[in-house]
Amino acid sequence: GDSVTQMEGPVTLSEEAFLTINCTYTATGYPSLFWYVQYPGEGLQLLLKATKADDKGSNKGFEATYRKETTSFHLEKGSVQVSDSAVYFCAFNYGGSQGNLIFGKGTKLSVKP
Amino acid sequence: EAQVTQNPRYLITVTGKKLTVTCSQNMNHEYMSWYRQDPGLGLRQIYYSMNVEVTDKGDVPEGYKVSRKEKRNFPLILESPSPNQTSLYFCASSARQNQPQHFGDGTRLSIL
Repeated sequence: GDSVTQMEGPVTLSEEAFLTINCTYTATGYPSLFWYVQYPGEGLQLLLKATKADDKGSNKGFEATYRKETTSFHLEKGSVQVSDSAVYFCAFNYGGSQGNLIFGKGTKLSVKP
Repeated sequence: EAQVTQNPRYLITVTGKKLTVTCSQNMNHEYMSWYRQDPGLGLRQIYYSMNVEVTDKGDVPEGYKVSRKEKRNFPLILESPSPNQTSLYFCASSARQNQPQHFGDGTRLSIL
């Protein structure tokens, strides 16, 4: 069935380190892909999205490329900051009438000064 | 300001005492949804609503009810709460079902 697999955390990095959070999905159709971020004590916020193969979503220095051949949507950032400490969720949905979001389990990132 | 508002933010209650968590959005969104977030399990959908008077079960609907009498409101009802419903709950909305969702700040429920 449909599912999202993310790398397990927690991930602890020093400030200015390079970040990669892996995400792969299992889907029967052609989904839209999302990364959501949850800061401590808050709800989820959309970080970036990509709606078709080879699209690159980007926001706040984060990037992710829709790789249809590997069914992946890895999140990257070249230089993390303390303020990036949060839980990151990979998710997808389909267009049309099957649009419910399917989430991964989340990856907690802690960035140390 | 566009927002999804949940109340209460925190609640401690006892088994069997009916409770309602309210959710309201001011963006005229058609689609609304409830999730619960548990450690190691991520977010799981409880119920969703495509529009007024249209609701459907998500992945974990047992023990919950919802209603959508008005477009802006989507309350979550626990008729007889049990300890396994202790969790962090999020309401979300979007213009359409397949659009990015806006989330509330969450409601932490503890059922003793």
